[in-house]
Amino acid sequence: GDSVTQMEGPVTLSEEACLTINCTYTATGYPSLFWYVQYPGEGLQLLLKATKADDKGSNKGFEATYRKETTSFHLEKGSVQVSDSAVYFCALSDGTGANNLFFGTGTRLTVIP
Amino acid sequence: DSGVTQTPKHLITATGQRVTLRCSPRSGDLSVYWYQQSLDQGLQFLIQYYNGEERAKGNILERFSAQQFPDLHSELNLSSLELGDSALYFCASSYQRGGTQYFGPGTRLTVL
Repeated sequence: GDSVTQMEGPVTLSEEACLTINCTYTATGYPSLFWYVQYPGEGLQLLLKATKADDKGSNKGFEATYRKETTSFHLEKGSVQVSDSAVYFCALSDGTGANNLFFGTGTRLTVIP
Repeated sequence: DSGVTQTPKHLITATGQRVTLRCSPRSGDLSVYWYQQSLDQGLQFLIQYYNGEERAKGNILERFSAQQFPDLHSELNLSSLELGDSALYFCASSYQRGGTQYFGPGTRLTVL
């Protein structure tokens, strides 16, 4: 079945460091891929998405490219801020029309000043 | 603010009880999804409704049921509660079945 494997956390970085959170997926068909972010005590917010191969999603300085050949959708940011501290979830929708989301386990990021 | 509202924010109850969680989707959204977030299972899809009809089921227990009303709000009913049902329950909505999902703030259920 469809699944997402996400880099284990937690990740601790200093402010202005580079961030990469790895995400790979297994899916039949042509899934859409997402990164959601969960700030402390809050719900999930859509960070970015890509709906087909080679698409690049970007938002708030974060980027991820849909790589069909490596079945990956790694999240990157060139310079993290303390306010980026949160849990990041990679997810895919199955593309069959039901559009249910399959989530990775989440990666907790802490950015220290 | 995603535009999806969930009530209550917190719920504390005892084993064996029944509770109802409520979700109001974003204005104009026809699809509602329910997810459970627990420490041991992570984020799991439970059930989806589209314009009042059930469209997909995930890992939803038989003790759990849901419905979507004509005004498009949805309720998730959890009965015969067990300690393991303690979790965050999220509702999400989208305009179409294949559209981007926007999540509510969640209801934190604690079963004692």
